[in-house]
This record gives sequence, C-alpha cells and structure tokens, in this order.
Amino acid sequence: QSALTQPASVSGSPGQSITISCTGTSGDVGGYSYVSWYQQHPGKAPKLIISDVSNRPSGVSNRFSGSKSGNTASLTISGLQAEDEADYYCNSYSSSSSWVFGGGTKLTVL
Amino acid sequence: EVQLVESGGGLVQRGGSLRLSCAASGFTFSSYWMTWVRQAPGKGLEWVANLNEDGSEKYYVDSVKGRFTISRDNAKNSLYLQLNSLRVEDTAVYYCVRDPDWGQGTLVTVSS
Repeated sequence: QSALTQPASVSGSPGQSITISCTGTSGDVGGYSYVSWYQQHPGKAPKLIISDVSNRPSGVSNRFSGSKSGNTASLTISGLQAEDEADYYCNSYSSSSSWVFGGGTKLTVL
Repeated sequence: EVQLVESGGGLVQRGGSLRLSCAASGFTFSSYWMTWVRQAPGKGLEWVANLNEDGSEKYYVDSVKGRFTISRDNAKNSLYLQLNSLRVEDTAVYYCVRDPDWGQGTLVTVSS
C-alpha cells in the first residue's frame, strides 16, 4: 500500500500544456485500467476529472486528457487557464480491492 | 442529484472513539460500493476503507486495520465508519465517496 509517485509541483503559463506523471507498480497502475485523476481546489472536496485511465466524465473540459504506459499514468492539461491552478491527485485500483493515491501535485499557473 | 453528507466528526482525545456517518441520496445506495477517504491537514488524500454493496466485503488500509470498522445500513441509505483507539495521526478530514461523487467531509481532530 505504498503511495503512487507524483511530482510535488508543476507550473506553466496560460495557454501552455503541462503533464503530470503518476508512477506505481505492476500491482496497481501497471496491472489495471483503473487509474483516476482528481482536481482539488483549496478548501473543496476533490473532483473527478479522468476515470479508467483516459475517460472524461460528463462536464469535464476536453483540455484534460489521461494516458498510461506500463507502470506510469499521465495527466495532460492543454491550454492552461488560471482556474486550473489546483492540486491534482492520481488514484489507482490495487490488489485486494483497495485503492492507492499519489502524493499530489500542486499546479501553478504563472 | 447525488448527495453525500458526512457527520460525526469532532475533537477527541488520543485513544478515544468516534462514529462517522454518511447520509446518501440521489442514487440507489444498495447498488454501489462505498468508500472512506481521508486527508490530513495540508497533506494528500489517503484511501481508508471500502465495502461492497451488501456489506459482506470490507477492505482497509493497513494503518487502520483492527481499529476502524466500515459498515452500512442500506435501509437507511447510510454509510458508517467506527473509529477506535484513535491516534494523533488520524487527524484528518474524512470524506464519504461513491465514485465519482464525494461528500464535503467531516473533520476529526485527535488531541494528545
């Protein structure tokens, strides 16, 4: 039940694209197609923005996209906007019906 | 509209107990796995526990095994988390989750 590895922080200017990585093991990220990404603004509950590696829930901007290669999942945000500044967490299904989260990445829009 | 409303948080001394509740509405509660996730102040998210539709399968993060118990009452559309032998490091906002929906959280503070 070790946490998934994310960079502590990333930054980008408005209009640019950024990618956040999420590295796990074959027992979680690499073994299942159940990787989710959550966006969390200060003082708010997390909001699901990507499920099942690359699916966008209804209402989520198509500027958000997800992918996976081996034991690493990635979240890409294109056309950065000021409101994208938030904390981002990856999450994966793991063995024994458990979940595991990444440590979180703080996105700063310069 | 899906609503998940947590309650039962508060200040408790180390070694004490609390029972968190989550009132669910807007979906067929008995048809879904339910999950508790917590977030310590200024820290990241941590999965705590989940259970299946009829409550017969329960899973916990290692750090709470033997101390916390997840349960549900499908007749009352409610999810519970019994917290025993609380430690300072259990201090966190506890969220009730039915993916993709989250409650607003309830704060548990364990004092030393």
